[in-house]
Amino acid sequence: NAGVTQTPKFQVLKTGQSMTLQCAQDMNHNSMYWYRQDPGMGLRLIYYSASEGTTDKGEVPNGYNVSRLNKREFSLRLESAAPSQTSVYFCASRRTRGAYEQYFGPGTRLTVT
Amino acid sequence: EDKVVQSPLSLVVHEGDTVTLNCSYEVTNFRSLLWYKQEKKAPTFLFMLTSSGIEKKSGRLSSILDKKELSSILNITATQTGDSAIYLCAVEGGSEKLVFGKGTKLTVNP
Repeated sequence: NAGVTQTPKFQVLKTGQSMTLQCAQDMNHNSMYWYRQDPGMGLRLIYYSASEGTTDKGEVPNGYNVSRLNKREFSLRLESAAPSQTSVYFCASRRTRGAYEQYFGPGTRLTVT
Repeated sequence: EDKVVQSPLSLVVHEGDTVTLNCSYEVTNFRSLLWYKQEKKAPTFLFMLTSSGIEKKSGRLSSILDKKELSSILNITATQTGDSAIYLCAVEGGSEKLVFGKGTKLTVNP
């Protein structure tokens, strides 16, 4: 099992460009998440999907959109990138809500100039 | 609003020392508290503590949940340089979401 995979690993964008970060999990998990991590800020939730077909906003959703394409895949889109979106982005999945741990992907380091 | 506060934010020790990391929380309808270790990559899961499992241990690491004080500690005994990392605490309340603290950066010097 690959666990949680993310593409790309690194990306540099110019202000105003758009891009989609891809995430897939092969653990048959119901719930998936997108976080951003900035120095000294811990992990902040952008969007999450409790199950296929549902998505909800997290703590910092502005400037992002998501799609739960199927049970395996959950993508994060930046429509018009801004320097404030320079960050490391992590995707995570969990079996279901409740007392289960989240498994994290390797992260995408995004720089917006 | 759910909140998780970790202390200290950073800590430097020598190999062999014992360290205690703290996590306090305010959350509606507490479900679980999780500890993660993050080196230069994705966080990796260490422990989950719930009302039915308030103490966990794995090798030199152990963690206790104090539901009365709304807090948890992570202990690492006989620290090694490989323990150098950011340790993240997260709490789940009544919503589906985990709320993370800012982390404690531990540096273990030889």
